[in-house]
Amino acid sequence: GAVVSQHPSWVICKSGTSVKIECRSLDFQATTMFWYRQFPKQSLMLMATSNEGSKATYEQGVEKDKFLINHASLTLSTLTVTSAHPEDSSFYICSARGAAGDAQETQYFGPGTRLLVL
Amino acid sequence: EDKVVQSPLSLVVHEGDTVTLNCSYEVTNFRSLLWYKQEKKAPTFLFMLTSSGIEKKSGRLSSILDKKELSSILNITATQTGDSAIYLCALFGGGSNYKLTFGKGTLLTVNP
Repeated sequence: GAVVSQHPSWVICKSGTSVKIECRSLDFQATTMFWYRQFPKQSLMLMATSNEGSKATYEQGVEKDKFLINHASLTLSTLTVTSAHPEDSSFYICSARGAAGDAQETQYFGPGTRLLVL
Repeated sequence: EDKVVQSPLSLVVHEGDTVTLNCSYEVTNFRSLLWYKQEKKAPTFLFMLTSSGIEKKSGRLSSILDKKELSSILNITATQTGDSAIYLCALFGGGSNYKLTFGKGTLLTVNP
């Protein structure tokens, strides 16, 4: 299957700092990328959907000014957690999907980034 | 609103057993149904099903879709402890809704 990478895999930071997480589709062009958040023993929660070159669509309750998403190219999306606080500590997972009709229409997940805000 | 229901929520078996996990759905515009396995990290892709009645197989895992019954099953034969994980069923409704709708998952525990 297609490969989605995420970097970094672990982040520990101080409260008030901003953290950037990168998501790359390595062997296909991701027309749509998704950012999820997962708390321990809970389901994946979709935060936002982004299409290359356009603004992200945020799910209800997700602050767009706090979670900045940039989908600058067909292989790269970034999530920046601005002014992180301890309650932002979570497992952040990106996911990428190719164009409709492609084999890559399947949605593949990156390995996730664990964020711990002290 | 699209809906995905998985059963059972939790299952404990012994190594060597065969298990069947169920997924039923409600959808306005069906595009595909996907199965994922999640261990301690992010979900890994298992199968994507779009056509009814065609079994997809990968080693000891197989899956089939029944569009008439609005359901899918995931079978694992000769289970191993490494199969212990949460198995997620997800629906891609297509149309203007490009989001996957996930079920709550089935937690499978395979004991030696």
